[in-house]
Amino acid sequence: DAGVIQSPRHEVTEMGQEVTLRCKPISGHNSLFWYRQTMMRGLELLIYFNNNVPIDDSGMPEDRFSAKMPNASFSTLKIQPSEPRDSAVYFCASSFLARTGGDHYGYTFGSGTRLTVV
Amino acid sequence: SQQGEEDPQALSIQEGENATMNCSYKTSINNLQWYRQNSGRGLVHLILIRSNEREKHSGRLRVTLDTSKKSSSLLITASRAADTASYFCATDAKSGAGSYQLTFGKGTKLSVIP
Repeated sequence: DAGVIQSPRHEVTEMGQEVTLRCKPISGHNSLFWYRQTMMRGLELLIYFNNNVPIDDSGMPEDRFSAKMPNASFSTLKIQPSEPRDSAVYFCASSFLARTGGDHYGYTFGSGTRLTVV
Repeated sequence: SQQGEEDPQALSIQEGENATMNCSYKTSINNLQWYRQNSGRGLVHLILIRSNEREKHSGRLRVTLDTSKKSSSLLITASRAADTASYFCATDAKSGAGSYQLTFGKGTKLSVIP
């Protein structure tokens, strides 16, 4: 398995532009997570999908952020309009959850997208 | 919000020494996991310990869990320069929204000096 695949690896954009980050989870996994990592705030969970349905988006910072999972093999995180304070590394992770309250098996992170908004 | 908090924030040791990192958390958990992150890379899962377990080993790693104190420790024995990385604990617990999810601490930055 190729693991969790994120694209692009690096993104530099101007303030006000729309940014779309992409993630392909591991085949067979039914849970997908988007995280943001900064020096100041560490690793923050933005949104969690289970079986393509958003379960918890309480970590999404504001309305400029949106995430979709149209099918089990693809998810996007969009920022519109982007701001310099959105600069961070964005990670996608996937796992298999057998039952609510059970363990997330095979929790695997992608390599991340380093976003710089100038 | 942060659930797990690692201690110390940074640790520097000589190669061959043991490294101990601690993690404290606030709520009841399903399990606790430790991850490693090399600079500029993604997180790699190291070990998972369930709430009904007290100790677990994997190679040079030893993890303990004390649910009464809501704390865990990660011990790396006979450290190597290649162990230099940031180490994160993550708790699998019920969130405010009612779903079970992993919440990460800010990590311990370990430097192993050859």
